[in-house]
Amino acid sequence: EPEVTQTPSHQVTQMGQEVILRCVPISNHLYFYWYRQILGQKVEFLVSFYNNEISEKSEIFDDQFSVERPDGSNFTLKIRSTKLEDSAMYFCASSASGSTRSEQYFGPGTRLTVT
Amino acid sequence: GENVEQHPSTLSVQEGDSAVIKCTYSDSASNYFPWYKQELGKRPQLIIDIRSNVGEKKDQRIAVTLNKTAKHFSLHITETQPEDSAVYFCAARNNAGNMLTFGGGTRLMVKP
Repeated sequence: EPEVTQTPSHQVTQMGQEVILRCVPISNHLYFYWYRQILGQKVEFLVSFYNNEISEKSEIFDDQFSVERPDGSNFTLKIRSTKLEDSAMYFCASSASGSTRSEQYFGPGTRLTVT
Repeated sequence: GENVEQHPSTLSVQEGDSAVIKCTYSDSASNYFPWYKQELGKRPQLIIDIRSNVGEKKDQRIAVTLNKTAKHFSLHITETQPEDSAVYFCAARNNAGNMLTFGGGTRLMVKP
């Protein structure tokens, strides 16, 4: 069964550094998402992406964050200048469509640790 | 925006007993309600979902019920097994967007 993949599994970075988290969505999916989960807390929506543009974003997704689909397979989340509070598990997800009939499938996550 | 509350935060049951997890939502426009199971250190996995045009859905030992009037939905697991132990998240989504709003999670522990 096709799965969403993410790299790296764990990223350690110093405060103020830029990080790029990478995701490969399921190949025939058209909608892509980033969520984050601070340790022990709920999963929070960051952004959704369709047709090479952001379709929806949350208050968390400020100017420090950006997303890109640089080629036909990868979907990336960039954090320009990391803060301690950015430490979390970041999940990528994808769905075949944006309708309510379409399940979102999650990747295994990237654990980001900002020191 | 949407707000999803989930109870209880932890639930401990004996193997073979039933477990019920409840969620409430605030946005009456929400019409899709998935449940995810997350084992320690792993990805959330969709286990069942329900759309607002139905009141109940069942898949083997798992069932979900939805009360649109009261804006709450519940996950029912019967004949629990130790491998059901995980954190379960409910979520809600409406037609206006794609974002899922998650509940706070329930840590289910099934004691053998």
